[in-house]
Amino acid sequence: GAGVSQSPSNKVTEKGKDVELRCDPISGHTALYWYRQSLGQGLEFLIYFQGNSAPDKSGLPSDRFSAERTGGSVSTLTIQRTQQEDSAVYLCASSVGGNQPQHFGDGTRLSIL
Amino acid sequence: EDQVTQSPEALRLQEGESSSLNCSYTVSGLRGLFWYRQDPGKGPEFLFTLYSAGEEKEKERLKATLTKKESFLHITAPKPEDSATYLCAVTWATGRRALTFGSGTRLQVQP
Repeated sequence: GAGVSQSPSNKVTEKGKDVELRCDPISGHTALYWYRQSLGQGLEFLIYFQGNSAPDKSGLPSDRFSAERTGGSVSTLTIQRTQQEDSAVYLCASSVGGNQPQHFGDGTRLSIL
Repeated sequence: EDQVTQSPEALRLQEGESSSLNCSYTVSGLRGLFWYRQDPGKGPEFLFTLYSAGEEKEKERLKATLTKKESFLHITAPKPEDSATYLCAVTWATGRRALTFGSGTRLQVQP
């Protein structure tokens, strides 16, 4: 079956620009997660959506980062006024909920010039 | 204090040479320990979930075990296609629902 789909796969932008990253989770998965993976930092949590509950935003590094999930399915991660330190691979994962395994997309590689 | 520590950072094996990767954790009230495999340029691929001490899971040449302090990923008679980074992650009772990852073990299996 279809896995988690992320787009674009690569994004190059200039410092100060806004970017939007998209995630299509596995159909029927109620939980959706965003992580960031950068050299020397490993995989770090950004934000978590579960059904209609308020999202857990505790991992967002600054107020330049925001995310939404529309209709309980597709999610968009937005980074405003990008900085060079935002360069990383942004990974999305989904799960059926609870403490079940998360399944990851292949990520968006973001490069800030 | 790191909550999840993986060792070694890197491991080079000859084809057929069995070994083990370690994941130690310091969280209280473990809810789940997850093993993933990640290939370059790809997202992590789910391998196993372990929920309680004493539990074991197997898949092909891989076997994961769990104690109250650590988990091992045993690789029996590895092949070059087992080369990848192996990631361990945990969730715990008072923590967030998202995964907290270790830094991974880079495994290279030479023919």
